[in-house]
Amino acid sequence: KAGVTQTPRYLIKTRGQQVTLSCSPISGHRSVSWYQQTPGQGLQFLFEYFSETQRNKGNFPGRFSGRQFSNSRSEMNVSTLELGDSALYLCASSLSGTGSYEQYFGPGTRLTVT
Amino acid sequence: DQQVKQNSPSLSVQEGRISILNCDYTNSMFDYFLWYKKYPAEGPTFLISISSIKDKNEDGRFTVFLNKSAKHLSLHIVPSQPGDSAVYFCAASWWGAQKLVFGQGTRLTINP
Repeated sequence: KAGVTQTPRYLIKTRGQQVTLSCSPISGHRSVSWYQQTPGQGLQFLFEYFSETQRNKGNFPGRFSGRQFSNSRSEMNVSTLELGDSALYLCASSLSGTGSYEQYFGPGTRLTVT
Repeated sequence: DQQVKQNSPSLSVQEGRISILNCDYTNSMFDYFLWYKKYPAEGPTFLISISSIKDKNEDGRFTVFLNKSAKHLSLHIVPSQPGDSAVYFCAASWWGAQKLVFGQGTRLTINP
């Protein structure tokens, strides 16, 4: 079974621009979560989607948004990029999210904002 | 407020010996705990988990111990192998949370 895939793997953007990252979950997994990893803050939860609905959101500004499609694929968008948004963005999928705690991560998208 | 803490940023262990990684938590709502392993340029890989109704879970060379009264868990790797060199993250969650709360990670180095 194919794992979680994320595209692109690397991205360089300029302050003020916006960016969209994509995630395809493991086949059959309906819950998709997004995390931001930085050296200072570690792995921080961004949001979680299930059946195209956002069920939980972390403590991030409104510039961070996401969505999920009917095939469970998910995208996250960051608008008006700031230097501090440079990070590894990780997508994780799980069977349903409630009752199945294990999440399986993709390789991540490394975003650099200059 | 860091709800999951891994107080050792790094650990160095001789090949063949036991590696013990520690994790403390503060939130009493947590009822499920997981360990992930991460290599550079890859996403975290799920290793082993434990429910709060248990105090031990084993999977091959990996054993996780949970001490609820102390709000402490540990991951034992026996015997340690060079391929175990990676960053290990402890994570926690609770029923209905739909998210994992991670510790800061411990870099494990296995020396030949």
